[in-house]
Amino acid sequence: AQSVAQPEDQVNVAEGNPLTVKCTYSVSGNPYLFWYVQYPNRGLQFLLKYITGDNLVKGSYGFEAEFNKSQTSFHLKKPSALVSDSALYFCAVRENTGFQKLVFGTGTRLLVSP
Amino acid sequence: EAGVTQFPSHSVIEKGQTVTLRCDPISGHDNLYWYRRVMGKEIKFLLHFVKESKQDESGMPNNRFLAERTGGTYSTLKVQPAELEDSGVYFCASSQDRWRDTGELFFGEGSRLTVL
Repeated sequence: AQSVAQPEDQVNVAEGNPLTVKCTYSVSGNPYLFWYVQYPNRGLQFLLKYITGDNLVKGSYGFEAEFNKSQTSFHLKKPSALVSDSALYFCAVRENTGFQKLVFGTGTRLLVSP
Repeated sequence: EAGVTQFPSHSVIEKGQTVTLRCDPISGHDNLYWYRRVMGKEIKFLLHFVKESKQDESGMPNNRFLAERTGGTYSTLKVQPAELEDSGVYFCASSQDRWRDTGELFFGEGSRLTVL
């Protein structure tokens, strides 16, 4: 079965510094990978996706993610963090069989300090 | 355009009571999903409607959970009787038919359920 793992419960970074939120995946076949973000008191919002093509995908709010097939990773990155980036980030993979639902990770809380 | 709305935002009930959560998807979205996040764990799939039909209910924990989507518009998720382990945040999401290409599900803010 497809799954994703987010090894860090929380990531702390100072404003202006680069940030990375880690995600590794386990799938059979080609992976379809996603990042969603949940800001306080809001629903989850789509950030970006990898389906095929370039390994570096760009998304909303200046975020990007790097797909690495050999390491089965799909880490979320941003060159310069903002305090407003503080939120809960979820990695997800789409199942390749059946009804192709999204399978989410446990989430990583990003805290950007001023 | 209104987003996905969920009601109530927070419900506190006692073990054994009944709770009904409601989700209004974005107008025109045939696909409606229920997910749940328990105790800081992963967001787990519960079920998927296409219009009024249950497409996939493989994630429903047990028969204490009943989901409906009469008329293919809003959906309700009833928990009866509620148990302590049902506490968590219940998310509803909706999408257009082409979501497999766009990858985008539109989520509501969630309904937090606390069972005492």
